Amino acid sequence: NAGVTQTPKFRILKIGQSMTLQCTQDMNHNYMYWYRQDPGMGLKLIYYSVGAGITDKGEVPNGYNVSRSTTEDFPLRLELAAPSQTSVYFCASSYGLGEKLFFGSGTQLSVL
Amino acid sequence: EDQVTQSPEALRLQEGESSSLNCSYTVSGLRGLFWYRQDPGKGPEFLFTLYSAGEEKEKERLKATLTKKESFLHITAPKPEDSATYLCAVQPYTDKLIFGTGTRLQVFP
Repeated sequence: NAGVTQTPKFRILKIGQSMTLQCTQDMNHNYMYWYRQDPGMGLKLIYYSVGAGITDKGEVPNGYNVSRSTTEDFPLRLELAAPSQTSVYFCASSYGLGEKLFFGSGTQLSVL
Repeated sequence: EDQVTQSPEALRLQEGESSSLNCSYTVSGLRGLFWYRQDPGKGPEFLFTLYSAGEEKEKERLKATLTKKESFLHITAPKPEDSATYLCAVQPYTDKLIFGTGTRLQVFP
């Protein structure tokens, strides 16, 4: 099994550009999450989804959007990229609330 | 306010030198406490879940314990391959999962 797959692994954006970070999982998990990780900070939740068609904001949602049209896919959209969005982004999934998370390998994003 | 604090921030050990990492937490109600291992350039990988005070879990050289206010990750006779960042996360009953900032462990031969 591939688990949680994220693409791309690295990306450099110019200020004001937009992009979509892709995430797919093959474990039939209902719950999916997007986190960002900054040096010296804990993982911060951006958005999460409890199933296809259902999404909700996490702790730091500003500047991001998500959609969940299928159980497998949970893309993260960055609109009008800003330097503050320079970070490492992780997608994760779990079977249910309070269950262990399975993480992707991350996307290193730089906004210059 | 729910909070998770890990200490120390960084730890350097000689191979074979046992030690412990600490995760202190304040939550209104604990559903579960998780430990993850993160290698450079990779996503966190699940190690343990603890649910109630007094619970212990072991895996190879690692043992996780839980009290009502903190959890310890004990590393016995570590090897260089144990070098990684160890993350603690707390799942409250009524809120989202909260991650600590991690302990960066380096084990030297």
